[in-house]
Amino acid sequence: EIVLTQSPAILSLSPGERATLSCRASQSVSSYLVWYQQKPGQAPRLLIYDVSNRATGIPARFSGSGSGTDFTLTISSLEPEDFAVYYCQHRSSWPLTFGGGTKVEIK
Amino acid sequence: QVQLVESGGGVVQPGRSLRLSCAASGFTLTNYGMHWVRQAPGKGLEWVAAILYDGNNKHYADSVRGRFTISRDTSKNTLYLQMNSLRIEDTAVYYCARAGRHHGDFHWFDPWGQGTQVTVSS
Repeated sequence: EIVLTQSPAILSLSPGERATLSCRASQSVSSYLVWYQQKPGQAPRLLIYDVSNRATGIPARFSGSGSGTDFTLTISSLEPEDFAVYYCQHRSSWPLTFGGGTKVEIK
Repeated sequence: QVQLVESGGGVVQPGRSLRLSCAASGFTLTNYGMHWVRQAPGKGLEWVAAILYDGNNKHYADSVRGRFTISRDTSKNTLYLQMNSLRIEDTAVYYCARAGRHHGDFHWFDPWGQGTQVTVSS
């Protein structure tokens, strides 16, 4: 099983600041890394698939990068609606797994 | 539009069974892989099971293998999760989710249903 480790667990930032979230895999997942956003009481929402492809309707301030074992989700300038929990997920092999999440909170 | 609606959750005693349903609309299950993902209270996401678009290939998390069964009824365009021998640690919101693209191995989740709560308690 591939273990995904997200850091930091909590990121305290102000609106307008840049957010950088990390996801590290215990072994290579090639480019098969996905990011989701989840707000309280809601189902997760797909943000980015296969490292850097934004899902339909996702603003350009969200971007993804990385390969192999180290990946980054960047939010270039935080909007009020971006404060949420973010999860990474790999689709490299079975079983699929998620990272533990990073909570982006208002400072 | 594409929509997933889960049902069947509830409160059940340890060792008992429950069957979750996920009614799909706006697309055909035979064209897409489908997944169940769960989230325990205050915790992160855990992938549970998948059925590939061909309906024959199924995969499970180790934590549920042998107890849970994923299936679908194409005539009803509905996905199921049969959960047997339930444990307290199975308590979670259960989401169904569609694979990102039709056919192939596009195992990202989009869209998701709203979730159904399963509580295992004596």
